[in-house]
Amino acid sequence: NAGVTQTPKFQVLKTGQSMTLQCAQDMNHNSMYWYRQDPGMGLRLIYYSASEGTTDKGEVPNGYNVSRLNKREFSLRLESAAPSQTSVYFCASSATNTGELFFGEGSRLTVL
Amino acid sequence: AQSVTQLDSHVSVSEGTPVLLRCNYSSSYSPSLFWYVQHPNKGLQLLLKYTSAATLVKGINGFEAEFKKSETSFHLTKPSAHMSDAAEYFCVVRAGGSYIPTFGRGTSLIVHP
Repeated sequence: NAGVTQTPKFQVLKTGQSMTLQCAQDMNHNSMYWYRQDPGMGLRLIYYSASEGTTDKGEVPNGYNVSRLNKREFSLRLESAAPSQTSVYFCASSATNTGELFFGEGSRLTVL
Repeated sequence: AQSVTQLDSHVSVSEGTPVLLRCNYSSSYSPSLFWYVQHPNKGLQLLLKYTSAATLVKGINGFEAEFKKSETSFHLTKPSAHMSDAAEYFCVVRAGGSYIPTFGRGTSLIVHP
C-alpha cells in the first residue's frame, strides 16, 4: 500500500518560476489537504478538498492554486514563486468521518 | 471556531524518565483530538486519537493521552522515554463535523542518554 505519494521530494526554483506539486492517495479517501511547514509554525493549511469536485481556501492560500483532478489526485500550483514560499509542503488525506490524516513524505521547496 | 495550544515548544528528558507533552484545545463542538509524531525529515505519523469513546487513549510505542473536558486538555504521556522517541510532536483538534484539522505549533522532544 503506497498511501499518500508526493512528487517531487525536492525542488529549487528561481523567483517568478512556476511549478506544480503532485499528490495521489490510494486509500479511497474523500478529503485531501495541502499544508506547509515552517520552523516554529506547525503545519498551516493552504487549501483543502472536502470531496471530489470541491476545493476551499485554508489559512494561507495566497500565491497558490489547487486542482482536485479526481478522487485520487490533488495538485498544488505555484504560479510565480517567491522566497516566502520556501518551505516543506505536505499533502494529506482523510476519510471524512474520522478526521485522521494520512501524510505523504513531504516536498522540500527552495525559492531563490 | 477551534484552536490548539501546545504549552511547551521544547521538552528535554533523560532516557528512562517519564514524558509529558501538554496540549490545550478550544472547540465549539465535540472535538476529535489527535497526536502526531514527526521524526527528522519524515512525514507525520498518527500516535493516537480521541473520538468521544474512552477518555484515556492508548497509542503506539507506549504513548497514551487523557481527554479532560473540564480542563480542555489532551496531554500526551509515556512512562519511560527511549532515545528513539526524540522527535517533533503535534497536537491536532477537529471540531465535530469540520473538514479542517487545526495543528498546534509542535513540541520538540529531546531525549538525553
